[in-house]
Amino acid sequence: NAGVTQTPKFQVLKTGQSMTLQCAQDMNHNSMYWYRQDPGMGLRLIYYSASEGTTDKGEVPNGYNVSRLNKREFSLRLESAAPSQTSVYFCASSEWTSGQTIYYEQYFGPGTRLTVT
Amino acid sequence: AQRVTQPEKLLSVFKGAPVELKCNYSYSGSPELFWYVQYSRQRLQLLLRHISRESIKGFTADLNKGETSFHLKKPFAQEEDSAMYYCALPNAGNNRKLIWGLGTSLAVNP
Repeated sequence: NAGVTQTPKFQVLKTGQSMTLQCAQDMNHNSMYWYRQDPGMGLRLIYYSASEGTTDKGEVPNGYNVSRLNKREFSLRLESAAPSQTSVYFCASSEWTSGQTIYYEQYFGPGTRLTVT
Repeated sequence: AQRVTQPEKLLSVFKGAPVELKCNYSYSGSPELFWYVQYSRQRLQLLLRHISRESIKGFTADLNKGETSFHLKKPFAQEEDSAMYYCALPNAGNNRKLIWGLGTSLAVNP
C-alpha cells in the first residue's frame, strides 16, 4: 500500500516551459487535491477533484490545469511556467466511507520541489 | 468566514519542557479538527483528529468549544518533535476542503 505517490520529486524549468506533475493514490479515496506550499503562506489549494471526472478551482488556480484521469490519478499541468510558480507542490487524497461514517482527513504525497528560472 | 488561526509562527522550547501549540478556529457547530505534522522536507502527516481522542507520539489535543480552541500539547518535548505543525478543519460548506492554519514551526533545543 504505497499511499499517495508523486512524480517527479524535483524539477527545474525555464520560464515558459511546460510540465505535468503526476499523482496517484491506492487508497480508493474519492477526492484528490493539489496544493502549493510557500514559506510563510502555509498550504494553498490550487485545484481539487471530488470524484472521477470532476474538478474545481481552489484558492490559486491561475496558471494551472488539472486532469482527473481516473479514480487513482490526478495530474497538475503548468502550461507556461513562471518564476512565481517556484514552490513545493503536494498532492493529497481524502474521503472514504466506513459503515455510516465518511472520513475527510487528507493524506499527502511526498511533494515535488519545482524551481522556475 | 471560517478561519483557523495559529498565532505563533515559531515556538522554541528546551528538551523535556512542556509544549503547547495554539490553534483557534471560527466555526458554528461541532467541528472536526485535525493536527498535521511536517518533518523537515517531508510530506504532511496526520497527527491527531479530535474525534478519535487519541494520543499520538505523546501529543494530545482537546477541543474547547467555549474558547473555540484546539491546542496541541505535550508534557515533555523531544528533539525529534522539531517540525512544522498545522491545524485544519473541514470547510462547513464543503467538507472535502480543509481550511488550514499557517502553521507553527516548533524547535526543540537540546
